[in-house]
Amino acid sequence: QQQVKQSPQSLIVQKGGISIINCAYENTAFDYFPWYQQFPGKGPALLIAIRPDVSEKKEGRFTISFNKSAKQFSLHIMDSQPGDSATYFCAARAYQKVTFGTGTKLQVIP
Amino acid sequence: DAGVIQSPRHEVTEMGQEVTLRCKLISGHNSLFWYRQTMMRGLELLIYFNNNVPIDDSGMPEDRFSAKMPNASFSTLKIQPSEPRDSAVYFCASSLALQGRRITEAFFGQGTRLTVV
Repeated sequence: QQQVKQSPQSLIVQKGGISIINCAYENTAFDYFPWYQQFPGKGPALLIAIRPDVSEKKEGRFTISFNKSAKQFSLHIMDSQPGDSATYFCAARAYQKVTFGTGTKLQVIP
Repeated sequence: DAGVIQSPRHEVTEMGQEVTLRCKLISGHNSLFWYRQTMMRGLELLIYFNNNVPIDDSGMPEDRFSAKMPNASFSTLKIQPSEPRDSAVYFCASSLALQGRRITEAFFGQGTRLTVV
């Protein structure tokens, strides 16, 4: 049972473009929604996170949009750069358990 | 701060052998999480501990898998006997929690790539 659904599976964006990754969840007990960035050979690292009482959070070029009624949230990467090429995971946390989406492999081409 | 340290980074073993993966938590952290990552199933939580006590092991796939925290800063994940379908990257992560609430984010180690042939 996939509690956090993520799309697309892969994404190719030109340098300077906007990368958009979408996630949906079912469990209303989730109360914290982090996004992780993973480079090859490395562990996931926290990128940005949001709580469900906020509809948007922005940190630099990264923005999370959150729609509580639809149980959906998304990551927008503005002015995408080749260095952003990585796999991105959305996640949802209830208590201490974090459930991850299946990941989106982003490639930013020059 | 050295971060979460996992060893070995790579392990190749024959089917049926015992495999032990090791993890050192970040100093001061008291929660430990073991994850398994595969292409098919993504990142799966296997088990997590608070203050050396296993809290939820519902993600442990079979009795062949066991995890321990012999002290507050160290954990092992053991697979006995190992099977080819256990091949994956295993991550541990640590965080600080107080009264069941997480205070810091989970910091991941670099993982152990396990190959069972």
